[in-house]
Amino acid sequence: AQTVTQSQPEMSVQEAETVTLSCTYDTSENNYYLFWYKQPPSRQMILVIRQEAYKQQNATENRFSVNFQKAAKSFSLKISDSQLGDTAMYFCAFMKYNFNKFYFGSGTKLNVKP
Amino acid sequence: EADIYQTPRYLVIGTGKKITLECSQTMGHDKMYWYQQDPGMELHLIHYSYGVNSTEKGDLSSESTVSRIRTEHFPLTLESARPSHTSQYLCASSAASGSWETQYFGPGTRLLVL
Repeated sequence: AQTVTQSQPEMSVQEAETVTLSCTYDTSENNYYLFWYKQPPSRQMILVIRQEAYKQQNATENRFSVNFQKAAKSFSLKISDSQLGDTAMYFCAFMKYNFNKFYFGSGTKLNVKP
Repeated sequence: EADIYQTPRYLVIGTGKKITLECSQTMGHDKMYWYQQDPGMELHLIHYSYGVNSTEKGDLSSESTVSRIRTEHFPLTLESARPSHTSQYLCASSAASGSWETQYFGPGTRLLVL
């Protein structure tokens, strides 16, 4: 079975600073996908960034980037120049290649302070 | 932006009532999912569907049932609501795009059973 672990239940960061959210996962698969989703308070869950396991290059989407360490089974999310609108729950997710189920971590609540 | 809709957004209902949570997507996605999420907590997969007339139970046991008669529609039914069913229910859909599979989420239904 696949498991996804987010060890930081809650984090805070000052506006304009950088924060890193950690995620580790456990799998015996070699080919899979990893995702970070954002769930703002009382709002819809949206995709932030995604990574294919066979790609060594870390994915980047504007202020969001990941540090993917396949051997360590680690997939951290870095948010640069944090903005108030980044305040949300962040979920790390895993999906085996050519499979149908996503496995989510327990989430990290990020609070961006002005 | 994903076109996936859930109704109602909020529902307060008495114990023993039958309820149906609606979920529709206009993206033509084959796969659809129902998650249960308590506030600020992780997502638990309760049902999923690979396509029309296909439904499977998820990782978390649930007294709810689902149906998939049309591609775009994936309703969830509770025959007799109980206070233990109080939670947020998230619907999602996905389809492969090239080598990618990404889930798109609806806004959720917050259910309170008195």
